[in-house]
Amino acid sequence: GDSVTQMEGPVTLSEEAFLTINCTYTATGYPSLFWYVQYPGEGLQLLLKATKADDKGSNKGFEATYRKETTSFHLEKGSVQVSDSAVYFCALRDRGSTLGRLYFGRGTQLTVWP
Amino acid sequence: GAGVSQSPSNKVTEKGKDVELRCDPISGHTALYWYRQSLGQGLEFLIYFQGNSAPDKSGLPSDRFSAERTGGSVSTLTIQRTQQEDSAVYLCASTTDPGTGELFFGEGSRLTVL
Repeated sequence: GDSVTQMEGPVTLSEEAFLTINCTYTATGYPSLFWYVQYPGEGLQLLLKATKADDKGSNKGFEATYRKETTSFHLEKGSVQVSDSAVYFCALRDRGSTLGRLYFGRGTQLTVWP
Repeated sequence: GAGVSQSPSNKVTEKGKDVELRCDPISGHTALYWYRQSLGQGLEFLIYFQGNSAPDKSGLPSDRFSAERTGGSVSTLTIQRTQQEDSAVYLCASTTDPGTGELFFGEGSRLTVL
């Protein structure tokens, strides 16, 4: 079945450090891939997405590239800020499905110190 | 409303009691999802509504769990005879188009079963 595995947290970084959060997936079909972010006290919100191989999703300085050959969608940011402290979730959706269910990873807690 | 609204935000109940959790989606969003987030776990899919019907309720963990949606709007998730393992944050999300994978989440209802 479809599933997502993302790196264990928590991740603690100093401001302006480089961030990578690893995400790999297993899918029976041809999925679309997503990163969602949950800031403290808020609901999850879509951060970026990619719908086909080699696509790069980007938003707010974050990037992730859809790598079909390695079944990965790692999240990166060149210089994190304190305001990036949040929980990050990798997710996939089977594009062949009419039901629209998203499969989520366990989430990675990121804390950025000034 | 401006966003997905869930109530109550916190619920503490005794084992064996029934609980109802309410979700008010964004106006006009035809698709509605319930997920569960347990400590240390990812988001576990429970049920998906399109309008008032539920084409995918495969994630409901037992027959103690049920959900309905009326008027293509508000949804209620009911847990009967609650158990301690039901303790979790229950998240509701809505969208106009499941195919985009962009879900709009509420802040969740935290359920604690003593």
